[in-house]
Amino acid sequence: DADVTQTPRNRITKTGKRIMLECSQTKGHDRMYWYRQDPGLGLRLIYYSFDVKDINKGEISDGYSVSRQAQAKFSLSLESAIPNQTALYFCATRGQGNQPQHFGDGTRLSIL
Amino acid sequence: SQQGEEDPQALSIQEGENATMNCSYKTSINNLQWYRQNSGRGLVHLILIRSNEREKHSGRLRVTLDTSKKSSSLLITASRAADTASYFCATALTGANSKLTFGKGITLSVRP
Repeated sequence: DADVTQTPRNRITKTGKRIMLECSQTKGHDRMYWYRQDPGLGLRLIYYSFDVKDINKGEISDGYSVSRQAQAKFSLSLESAIPNQTALYFCATRGQGNQPQHFGDGTRLSIL
Repeated sequence: SQQGEEDPQALSIQEGENATMNCSYKTSINNLQWYRQNSGRGLVHLILIRSNEREKHSGRLRVTLDTSKKSSSLLITASRAADTASYFCATALTGANSKLTFGKGITLSVRP
């Protein structure tokens, strides 16, 4: 079983719809992250959380919101989706100290 | 602007050859990490090198870090077709609260 699970894996929706992407982890990590990946732009940080009561904006948080429902769950919402939010979205977790991040397999989101 | 910039953007080599990928960054770092991404999958951590380290090895991987030049290189020796993937460097800044900044990635193709 995957340590970091993202659902759904693929989603096609229309402009203006509310979308929620979910992430759950079994690694017991406090730190969780949401990124988007666009061709030629690498990964950009949307939001991150160091524990259940901590939420921080990343470099591209406009148009997104997050909820840390539990240590193991971190969801990303698009309140009113627009076409330029079409991208590949990744969730990641990290333990304390100089530890690497562990990524889910991503959600491919297309907004028509 | 991106903290990490990889070079080249794309690399095509024959199986058995060595692949060298470079990463440059702009500000002082705590550590630098290399990740691999296979098509349609999430990023997988390869190796982390701290700012006070100059070289690390892991199997066929060798990473160097030159903090005076603000650059790192990833060498994959005796490449295999299965090494075909995108490779990203990511930097964690000194004093940063554990965020990573990713480069745009290098596409490596290993021809059988």
